[in-house]
Amino acid sequence: NAGVTQTPKFRVLKTGQSMTLLCAQDMNHEYMYWYRQDPGMGLRLIHYSVGEGTTAKGEVPDGYNVSRLKKQNFLLGLESAAPSQTSVYFCASSYGLDQPQHFGDGTRLSIL
Amino acid sequence: GNSVTQMEGPVTLSEEAFLTINCTYTATGYPSLFWYVQYPGEGLQLLLKATKADDKGSNKGFEATYRKETTSFHLEKGSVQVSDSAVYFCALSDRGGSNYKLTFGKGTLLTVNP
Repeated sequence: NAGVTQTPKFRVLKTGQSMTLLCAQDMNHEYMYWYRQDPGMGLRLIHYSVGEGTTAKGEVPDGYNVSRLKKQNFLLGLESAAPSQTSVYFCASSYGLDQPQHFGDGTRLSIL
Repeated sequence: GNSVTQMEGPVTLSEEAFLTINCTYTATGYPSLFWYVQYPGEGLQLLLKATKADDKGSNKGFEATYRKETTSFHLEKGSVQVSDSAVYFCALSDRGGSNYKLTFGKGTLLTVNP
């Protein structure tokens, strides 16, 4: 019963470094999402995917790229990390666009 | 555009007190409405949902009724427990638009004291 698994759970980067956050789901969901959570801001959608090989921009896509090469995986990349990207990142998946989303436990990312 | 407004927290209650967290929304289409809960150090979990007007979602003693006339989806529980301490998010999913977005409120922190 893994559900949605995010890797890594914690990471500290220096400004300008790059990294990739991995999200994996074992529920055969078509839809996957990346959010960031900041104090007082709720959750904001970064990018999402409606199926293998597809991606789309969300509310705050700048500075991030994503890929969905396999149905079960959704990768979030930061090409050149900035302090403003310090946040908690959540991945989610769902059966359909109007269906409840299942969330991972988050990745806590700090950019120094 | 779509938006969700929740009552600002934090909310602090004693065990067995009655809970209400207000949520109102603005949407262009016919949204589904959700309450999610986030326990410390964890991701969000679906608490309950309602897909059309007058539907009542319920789970773990929590309830919320989809009120189209007042565009509201208030969360209630008759008797809270210490284990209910968490952040609660109201959210809507609009099926009417072509650009999908699940819109969240900013969250309400609930602390229940023994």
